[in-house]
Amino acid sequence: QKEVEQDPGPLSVPEGAIVSLNCTYSNSAFQYFMWYRQYSRKGPELLMYTYSSGNKEDGRFTAQVDKSSKYISLFIRDSQPSDSATYLCAMTLDSNYQLIWGAGTKLIIKP
Amino acid sequence: SQTIHQWPATLVQPVGSPLSLECTVEGTSNPNLYWYRQAAGRGLQLLFYSVGIGQISSEVPQNLSASRPQDRQFILSSKKLLLSDSGFYLCALDGGGRSYNEQFFGPGTRLTVL
Repeated sequence: QKEVEQDPGPLSVPEGAIVSLNCTYSNSAFQYFMWYRQYSRKGPELLMYTYSSGNKEDGRFTAQVDKSSKYISLFIRDSQPSDSATYLCAMTLDSNYQLIWGAGTKLIIKP
Repeated sequence: SQTIHQWPATLVQPVGSPLSLECTVEGTSNPNLYWYRQAAGRGLQLLFYSVGIGQISSEVPQNLSASRPQDRQFILSSKKLLLSDSGFYLCALDGGGRSYNEQFFGPGTRLTVL
């Protein structure tokens, strides 16, 4: 069993839809949770960063962590074609530089 | 603001040939630096981690090596490439201090071994 599971997609939705991207994990000790966006042939860029449980909102993006279910989500409201990318989740223990990565979900927003 | 440069952007090399990928950083000093490899359809695999000049931690046994000859320079090398070395190589640094697990990535080098 992988430490972090992420559906590779592709996930194709029409422009303007609400998108839900998810990761599940097995290690209950993970404390920090991140979402990265990666455009084709580019390096990943940090999108959202959360500590422990709860929600965090930034513009059209909301990151949600449910530690009891070992499940994290990224919601994108009013999706745009420019949101088309691969979204990677990553997480880590406290006091640890090593991030554990999901394989990424490819998202396609159709105009 | 900090900037990460990587070159070359793309590289096609024959099996058994040597490799040298370079990463340089601007806008920060004494960064923690990382080399990752990303295979198609897979997550990022941490290869090496460095906290300072000459200080390298290897995460995965392989035919690759890393060096940090200067504070803002990180080099990934191989003496003899394997087919399995193909992938997207990413250099990254972390936010430092209490933001060490916020990592920022360079543009990457796409390596194809034939």
